[in-house]
Amino acid sequence: GAGVSQTPSNKVTEKGKYVELRCDPISGHTALYWYRQSLGQGPEFLIYFQGTGAADDSGLPNDRFFAVRPEGSVSTLKIQRTERGDSAVYLCASSSKAGGDYNEQFFGPGTRLTVL
Amino acid sequence: DQQVKQNSPSLSVQEGRISILNCDYTNSMFDYFLWYKKYPAEGPTFLISISSIKDKNEDGRFTVFLNKSAKHLSLHIVPSQPGDSAVYFCAASAPDFGNEKLTFGTGTRLTIIP
Repeated sequence: GAGVSQTPSNKVTEKGKYVELRCDPISGHTALYWYRQSLGQGPEFLIYFQGTGAADDSGLPNDRFFAVRPEGSVSTLKIQRTERGDSAVYLCASSSKAGGDYNEQFFGPGTRLTVL
Repeated sequence: DQQVKQNSPSLSVQEGRISILNCDYTNSMFDYFLWYKKYPAEGPTFLISISSIKDKNEDGRFTVFLNKSAKHLSLHIVPSQPGDSAVYFCAASAPDFGNEKLTFGTGTRLTIIP
């Protein structure tokens, strides 16, 4: 597949549980981004990876949220002690960022998280 | 604080006519602006962009205009086609972190009436 893929497409969990959301970026893309889109809102930046390191995690709402990209490809967004307010569509994007000017971000279809 | 604003949540336009979607921003550090299009159950798809050193960028039926003094940009689609029906997001980035972080508006749902 040529595009960004995300699994699962839907996740229903109970308040207080732990969840992991996975993102497979476009092959060769060094930059990876996580966004969250709540109902009626635009996507909201969470975190950006350049290679294996988190270059900017200023959008993570609190310490219940954590993301990793151990080999510089696949990334996992981890949410501990989920709350009902975490319910949203979590979007992943990747780009062939090589420094300098802006590079287009390609988005995956998202994971819809519902916390009951 | 909503730094990128799309004040029209929805817009209906007759097929063949011009669609104009508007976006306002407050952060004067933004120097790159983008429009994304989103269909249901899909991720946003990049449509067109403009750098702050330009005031117009055109790509086929799509043209983006930037008015820096008014902190306003608009997307023109002409002629509008039924396949243009989607939610359109305006987004902006600033160079403080290498233009990596996109700040999105709340979106405008465009409906093209056949």
